[in-house]
Amino acid sequence: AQSVTQLGSHVSVSEGALVLLRCNYSSSVPPYLFWYVQYPNQGLQLLLKYTSAATLVKGINGFEAEFKKSETSFHLTKPSAHMSDAAEYFCAVSGGSNYKLTFGKGTLLTVNP
Amino acid sequence: KAGVTQTPRYLIKTRGQQVTLSCSPISGHRSVSWYQQTPGQGLQFLFEYFSETQRNKGNFPGRFSGRQFSNSRSEMNVSTLELGDSALYLCASSFGTGGGQETQYFGPGTRLLVL
Repeated sequence: AQSVTQLGSHVSVSEGALVLLRCNYSSSVPPYLFWYVQYPNQGLQLLLKYTSAATLVKGINGFEAEFKKSETSFHLTKPSAHMSDAAEYFCAVSGGSNYKLTFGKGTLLTVNP
Repeated sequence: KAGVTQTPRYLIKTRGQQVTLSCSPISGHRSVSWYQQTPGQGLQFLFEYFSETQRNKGNFPGRFSGRQFSNSRSEMNVSTLELGDSALYLCASSFGTGGGQETQYFGPGTRLLVL
């Protein structure tokens, strides 16, 4: 069984500030981890994914995430927030040959000018 | 390369009716998955199809069904609609041969409102 917990349903930062979105997972098999972003009235866009090649994963738009097995975490960061980063962010887990993605509840990121 | 397309984008139905949603995957992708997104339950997996066969199924009642055609296009059907079926239905596609590490590409979704 797999599950994802995203701490903080709403995170608010100032433009130029550090963005930190938290994700903890539970998986009975070695996990594959994903961060997706959703803009209003749109589908999900992949930001980055972890597939065991490297623990620090770099994604699009300046985002990165670090896989920490001991902490079962995969937090998403960006050094400097931009207004265009305002959106909802979802962490997801899959495993093995299973294509099912199990998602967290999402974190709404607000960026203040 | 065209992305995942879903039709229709918006749909209004009444309780008791049935509805069919369509998804066309990215060219070359043979796996299609469906998800339901609601404010209360979040994103939940419905089912996944590969080469016209259902490979995995989520915990939804039998009113939710799907199928995949030989060209990899997929449809999902919801019969006897309930108010709680109001949601954004998202389709995702991938190659389907690399396992759970494959990136799934999502369509824009079909927003269903049940009155």
